[in-house]
This record gives sequence, C-alpha cells and structure tokens, in this order.
Amino acid sequence: DTAVSQTPKYLVTQMGNDKSIKCEQNLGHDTMYWYKQDSKKFLKIMFSYNNKELIINETVPNRFSPKSPDKAHLNLHINSLELGDSAVYFCASSAGAGEAEAFFGQGTRLTVV
Amino acid sequence: SQQGEEDPQALSIQEGENATMNCSYKTSINNLQWYRQNSGRGLVHLILIRSNEREKHSGRLRVTLDTSKKSSSLLITASRAADTASYFCATDARNEKLVFGKGTKLTVNP
Repeated sequence: DTAVSQTPKYLVTQMGNDKSIKCEQNLGHDTMYWYKQDSKKFLKIMFSYNNKELIINETVPNRFSPKSPDKAHLNLHINSLELGDSAVYFCASSAGAGEAEAFFGQGTRLTVV
Repeated sequence: SQQGEEDPQALSIQEGENATMNCSYKTSINNLQWYRQNSGRGLVHLILIRSNEREKHSGRLRVTLDTSKKSSSLLITASRAADTASYFCATDARNEKLVFGKGTKLTVNP
C-alpha cells in the first residue's frame, strides 16, 4: 500500500488553464505539505496543513489554493496556469510539523505549454 | 528563506569509496534530517538527528551534528552504484515545517 499517493503523475496543460493535483496519505498523520521542486532541484515548501488547518503559506501566489477535506487529503488547485508553474510538485505528510520524518509522494510533473 | 545549504553540489566517486556531504544552516533547530532522492522519484527519509545529539549511525550512514557551527555531515561508507542519488538535508523551523537545502548530487561509478 502506498503511504502517500498523489495523482496525476504527469500533467501537461496549456497556459491559462485550471488544474488540480490530489494527494492522500494512509499513515494517520496530522500534518501534510505541498512542496515545489524546480528544474535546479531546489525544494521549496508551499503549504503546510495540520489537522485540516492551514499553518504555513509561503508567499505562494493566490492562484494556488490548497484544500484539505479531511486530514488524510490535501489537494492543490492551480488557477490560470503560467509557464513558470512548470515544476515537480510533491505532497508529503508527517506525524508532527517539522519534528518527525516526512513521507513523500512520487511527485506530479506539471508542464505548462 | 532557505535554511540548509549542502556542499558540494555534486560529487563523483568510485564504488567502494566513502562519500561525505555537508550541510550548513542558519538558525537554531530542533532536529536535522537527511533525505535521498533517486532520479524521478520522491524523497526518502534516511536519518534524523536531534539538536542534543552529536552523532548517529544507520547501517552504512553516519551523521554528525555540530550545533555550534550550525553544520551537519552525512558520510556514506563503502558506497555502491545504487547510492547514486541526490541527498538533501532538512531542518525544522519552529516545529512548523521542514526546510530543505539544494542537495548534493552523488554519482557512484561502478
């Protein structure tokens, strides 16, 4: 069983479109994250949720809107996609915010054309 | 702002050799973690060292932490081709999030 699963794995879309990436964890963790990894492999945190509540929003454009329907799910919706949004997006979860190991999904490679 | 910074950015060694990667950070931490990322995959947790620990071992991995210098090192002994990956350090910031460095790309040649 996959601990943290995100879908889709690949996403190719045109500029201006709206898209969503879904993430689910079956580890019973309270904290979930979204990270963006750029072409230089730099991992930058975007959002952190603890028990469905947003605790970190790292100056991400408001075109990005996370939604956590329950503590096992953290979806990422992106409006009006831009070329610069092309990256690999990783979902992760941990038992505690920052203090415990994080489990990562396999990533979603988003390509905006 | 970025917390961890790995050094070197890239490292190429022969199988059987040891690989050492360093991580420096800026603010005080509760713990420091190391992760591995194989090409095209997600990150996998390797080891966590708490701020009151100085050294930790896990199999062929040895991690040291020097809080006075705000630095950590990851040593992989007797490296194998399968160790080829990018290695990241991550630090917690006020127990709210994990902040990652830019990573060290390790290539182990057979």
